[in-house]
Amino acid sequence: SQKIEQNSEALNIQEGKTATLTCNYTNYSPAYLQWYRQDPGRGPVFLLLIRENEKEKRKERLKVTFDTTLKQSLFHITASQPADSATYLCALEYSGSARQLTFGSGTQLTVLP
Amino acid sequence: DGGITQSPKYLFRKEGQNVTLSCEQNLNHDAMYWYRQDPGQGLRLIYYSQIVNDFQKGDIAEGYSVSREKKESFPLTVTSAQKNPTAFYLCASSIEGGLWNEQFFGPGTRLTVL
Repeated sequence: SQKIEQNSEALNIQEGKTATLTCNYTNYSPAYLQWYRQDPGRGPVFLLLIRENEKEKRKERLKVTFDTTLKQSLFHITASQPADSATYLCALEYSGSARQLTFGSGTQLTVLP
Repeated sequence: DGGITQSPKYLFRKEGQNVTLSCEQNLNHDAMYWYRQDPGQGLRLIYYSQIVNDFQKGDIAEGYSVSREKKESFPLTVTSAQKNPTAFYLCASSIEGGLWNEQFFGPGTRLTVL
């Protein structure tokens, strides 16, 4: 079965720095890889999606990369702010999987002022 | 405002009791999902429905049941057969037939078994 690993459960960085979160998966590559943000006690919110044939996607201060050789996606937040503090989840969608998403356990990011 | 609502936000249940969690959406989405989230773990799929009057088991369906009588509603019943029901339950919906499956989540229900 597919296994997803997100780097360290918690990541602390200083305000203004770039946060880099990792999502590694086993077996075959997904058709789409998504990133969600989850605040404590709330539901996840979709941030970005990248397709298997794309290398990089950007949205404002967010950047996602996708390396199907390494079986890894990196999620970057540039010029980080305390308001970026949250748990970030990666989710994989496979073709023919009845549109199901497989979620990683998340990385809790804290941006220190 | 379009969105997904879940109720109640907090729910307490005695062992041996069934309890039903509500999920309603006004996004006109065909597909709806129920997930369970435990501390330090990712979301695990319980049940999903791609169309009214049809639903499929997810990875951890044992001890749960659902119905999909209306497009807007997808209630989840946690039965007494669920051995460890204390968790955070999330409902989601998405457009069926889109290129990808971006999911929209409700605020969640935290269930505690006493």
